[in-house]
Amino acid sequence: EPEVTQTPSHQVTQMGQEVILRCVPISNHLYFYWYRQILGQKVEFLVSFYNNEISEKSEIFDDQFSVERPDGSNFTLKIRSTKLEDSAMYFCASGGRGTDTQYFGPGTRLTVL
Amino acid sequence: AQSVTQPDIHITVSEGASLELRCNYSYGATPYLFWYVQSPGQGLQLLLKYFSGDTLVQGIKGFEAEFKRSQSSFNLRKPSVHWSDAAEYFCAVGAGYGGSQGNLIFGKGTKLSVKP
Repeated sequence: EPEVTQTPSHQVTQMGQEVILRCVPISNHLYFYWYRQILGQKVEFLVSFYNNEISEKSEIFDDQFSVERPDGSNFTLKIRSTKLEDSAMYFCASGGRGTDTQYFGPGTRLTVL
Repeated sequence: AQSVTQPDIHITVSEGASLELRCNYSYGATPYLFWYVQSPGQGLQLLLKYFSGDTLVQGIKGFEAEFKRSQSSFNLRKPSVHWSDAAEYFCAVGAGYGGSQGNLIFGKGTKLSVKP
């Protein structure tokens, strides 16, 4: 069964550094999402992406964040200058036209020191 | 604003006992409702979803959920819990035009522990 994959599974970085989280969505899907879950809190929407552009973003998704689909298969989330409060589990999800369902990857745990 | 409330943070049930996890939502239009399960170290797996039609929906692993518009609820049930059901369960509402075209709003989750 096709699945969403994410790399790395765990990333440790120093405050102020740039990180790129990578996702490979299910191959025929058209809608892509990033969510995050700070430890002990709810899963929160960050951004959705369709047709090579951002379709919606939350208040969390400020200028420090960017997304890209560089090669038609990968979907990346970049955090330009990480802060301590960016420490969280980041989930990628994808959805196909007409499926009305989002399929989630296993997540990348980001730890900012 | 849309929101999802899962009133129970942690529930413990005995193996073989029945289970009901509560979910209440606040949403202006007809909601798209989902239950996801997250096992330790794993991603979010879809258990079931409701968009329209029959208000009792069946999902994977023997789970079902009932949509009750009058109570703004979408409670998850299982008649007989297995030890492998121990996980965290998230209720979510789709805030867009459809689950794959809009963002999901999640509840805080309910952690299920299963006693032997």
